Parts: sequence; C-alpha cells; structure tokens
Amino acid sequence: DGGITQSPKYLFRKEGQNVTLSCEQNLNHDAMYWYRQDPGQGLRLIYYSQIVNDFQKGDIAEGYSVSREKKESFPLTVTSAQKNPTAFYLCASSSGPSANYGYTFGSGTRLTVV
Amino acid sequence: AQTVTQSQPEMSVQEAETVTLSCTYDTSESDYYLFWYKQPPSRQMILVIRQEAYKQQNATENRFSVNFQKAAKSFSLKISDSQLGDAAMYFCAFLNVQGAQKLVFGQGTRLTINP
Repeated sequence: DGGITQSPKYLFRKEGQNVTLSCEQNLNHDAMYWYRQDPGQGLRLIYYSQIVNDFQKGDIAEGYSVSREKKESFPLTVTSAQKNPTAFYLCASSSGPSANYGYTFGSGTRLTVV
Repeated sequence: AQTVTQSQPEMSVQEAETVTLSCTYDTSESDYYLFWYKQPPSRQMILVIRQEAYKQQNATENRFSVNFQKAAKSFSLKISDSQLGDAAMYFCAFLNVQGAQKLVFGQGTRLTINP
C-alpha cells in the first residue's frame, strides 16, 4: 500500500542534542511538508520541498533543518537551537496539482525533551 | 498571507444530533480550496471534505456537509446524525491555487460526542 511512514513514533531528546525525524513516502509525490502541532495552535508549517534538492522555510523554521536528496525522503533535524522542541510532528506529501485534493499525512512523531 | 480561524476550541453534541463547526479565513485570492480534516485520538489526519472556491455548490460527503459563503469567507462543517466515532479534533484548512501550495490550518475544534 502506498503511504507515508514516519519514524520513530516516540522520540526522547536530551537538552543540547540534535535529533532527526524520518519521513518516507512511496506515493511518487513531488512535494513534501513538515508540520509541528502544539495544543491550541493547530498545525504550523516548518519546512516544505516541492522538488528534489530544493526546500523552503515555512512559518517556524528556526531551530530546524531538512534535506531532500531523494524524492521519497524528507528528514527533519531538530537542532539544539530549537528552544522548545517538545511537540507532535507531522509529515505530509502531495503531488503537484493533486495538492488540490489535500495532503497525505504520516502518523506522526511525538518528540519529548527530557 | 492567508489566515484561518476556528473560534470554537471545543464543541459537544448528543449522539444522533447535528453539530456545526465554524471556520473563517482571510485571503485576497479568488481561486483556492478549503478542507476539513479530522484527527482522532490516533492522531492520524483524515481528510473529511473539500470545497473548490469557484464552485458555488456546497460539498457533501455522506453525513458531512459544508456551508461555504465565499463573500463572507466562511466555511462551516455540519455533521448530521453524530456518531461516537466522530469524536476528534477537526481542523479547517486553506490551500491557495497560485504559488507554493501550502496548507494553512486553523487552531482546531475538539468535538465530543455524548452518548
């Protein structure tokens, strides 16, 4: 079945550590997105990529980095510069014009700073 | 920049009754899409319904329907014959046709179904 796989489901980070969240899709979608979800704030866009080897900052990119070396993969690194990283992270994808039909979402990663 | 506002953080409804969730948005664009997503306790985002801005007819998907008022920039979701499985967070979202196609979400409404 085609879909988006996010791993791990739960992730714990110590203060000062970088961590990488994985997002893989087998939908042959061109565009991929990372959102952060906090209680009462909905989903906020961190980074997005519309094509391989290219990506753009979203609304809350500070403290995060991404890469898009393969069409299928769009990993998100939460760096030590992100002051409040505890949140639920959602990866999504869309295929050009079919974005008009909405995104396909992964099942999310819950990141907790310990 | 587009903004989406859901003014009801929480709503509750009796099972089998009808409930309406509100959403307003702000944009200067004329061509766009609007969506309602459901996020149950599993936290998987599920597309409920979509509306094309250039279509005057309101979208309907089984028990789910929308009231799209383009001039008022309003996009409410009506759930008829509410079921226990409808309990979830509901997010309204906006997608601009032009430029980078980024979904902009509202803050969400938590819907509780009372048996």
